[in-house]
Amino acid sequence: DAGITQSPRHKVTETGTPVTLRCHQTENHRYMYWYRQDPGHGLRLIHYSYGVKDTDKGEVSDGYSVSRSKTEDFLLTLESATSSQTSVYFCAISENRDNEKLFFGSGTQLSVL
Amino acid sequence: AQKVTQAQTEISVVEKEDVTLDCVYETRDTTYYLFWYKQPPSGELVFLIRRNSFDEQNEISGRYSWNFQKSTSSFNFTITASQVVDSAVYFCALSRGILYGGATNKLIFGTGTLLAVQP
Repeated sequence: DAGITQSPRHKVTETGTPVTLRCHQTENHRYMYWYRQDPGHGLRLIHYSYGVKDTDKGEVSDGYSVSRSKTEDFLLTLESATSSQTSVYFCAISENRDNEKLFFGSGTQLSVL
Repeated sequence: AQKVTQAQTEISVVEKEDVTLDCVYETRDTTYYLFWYKQPPSGELVFLIRRNSFDEQNEISGRYSWNFQKSTSSFNFTITASQVVDSAVYFCALSRGILYGGATNKLIFGTGTLLAVQP
């Protein structure tokens, strides 16, 4: 199993509060991704990173920011959480960019009340 | 635009039955990749297969087989002699080929098919 740890595994928060989710990998892979999973939508890419301090937006990036100060850590921040951001968040990693398979973390269940 | 359609929301079969999960994709790219992932009840997504657009050979891995047909833009997944452990949500996904630059692992996922295998 790929060494990917997401924290926290579960979180309940209130509307308007900032929330940070963490993804930590021990594989030294260059590429990291944040996806959200919602019923009827499958998984959708929020942000991705192609190196330390190098990030870019995915298809549903509004309301989210990311940071990557170290190879092993990729943080996802909800600047001001809304109920529409209630979701399961998955971190994924890949060694290369060229259509390699992704390794996924176990997910974070986030509920915004 | 790229799109993946998994029209089967839920499928229920009895153990030992064969089952086919459908995947239809849309893309204007000439080079692309298709994937299948499995999400068991534990929640973590597990890679099953990757196929590039130039390789239309079918693939078999144990009880699993995949049928890729560019003519119908389909990449269907068949489980032979299903088992209870096959119960999961299965996702089909699409990504662009390297010719289009950027991080090509930006997968476009279908909405998934929930497979329930009854004992």
